[in-house]
Amino acid sequence: DGGITQSPKYLFRKEGQNVTLSCEQNLNHDAMYWYRQDPGQGLRLIYYSQIVNDFQKGDIAEGYSVSREKKESFPLTVTSAQKNPTAFYLCASSVMTSGGEETQYFGPGTRLLVL
Amino acid sequence: AQSVTQLDSQVPVFEEAPVELRCNYSSSVSVYLFWYVQYPNQGLQLLLKYLSGSTLVKGINGFEAEFNKSQTSFHLRKPSVHISDTAEYFCAVIYTGGFKTIFGAGTRLFVKA
Repeated sequence: DGGITQSPKYLFRKEGQNVTLSCEQNLNHDAMYWYRQDPGQGLRLIYYSQIVNDFQKGDIAEGYSVSREKKESFPLTVTSAQKNPTAFYLCASSVMTSGGEETQYFGPGTRLLVL
Repeated sequence: AQSVTQLDSQVPVFEEAPVELRCNYSSSVSVYLFWYVQYPNQGLQLLLKYLSGSTLVKGINGFEAEFNKSQTSFHLRKPSVHISDTAEYFCAVIYTGGFKTIFGAGTRLFVKA
């Protein structure tokens, strides 16, 4: 089955701890994205990557870091600098064409909770 | 600035009634348009999309949407809703050449028995 997987489904973070959320896709998509979703709010873009070994900050990158060493993988680290990390995190991927970005496809999400 | 507006944050409706979820975008330049659905504690699932061609687009689960360039709108409709349609619906737009998907704030559809 082709698709996007995120793990874990639930993640608990202690104060001062860095945690890493996994996102893997086997759709052969060029671009990958991380969004944060808070209750009653839409999606806010954290980071995105159009190609391996390159990524750009989104609208709310502070306190987060990413890497893109492989086309299939785009892990997100929530650092201790992120003071309010409790949220639902969504990973997505899309094809890149000469016209730009195409349809985004989403993973099932990871809910991060602070202990 | 380019933006997407979903005019209703919540829409309550009775089962088997018709529903329309409204979406407007800010610019009349060439666009791609999308509707996604999100069930509780899940990711977003693509309902339908408009890239070009016919302005009436049919999607999954009996939903359809109509692209209206003059009104810069892409409203989502279903003639008869079910309890299982209760979810949050997101409108999204790509301004072609602009490269970035912009999401609306979402509309929570609540179907009552």
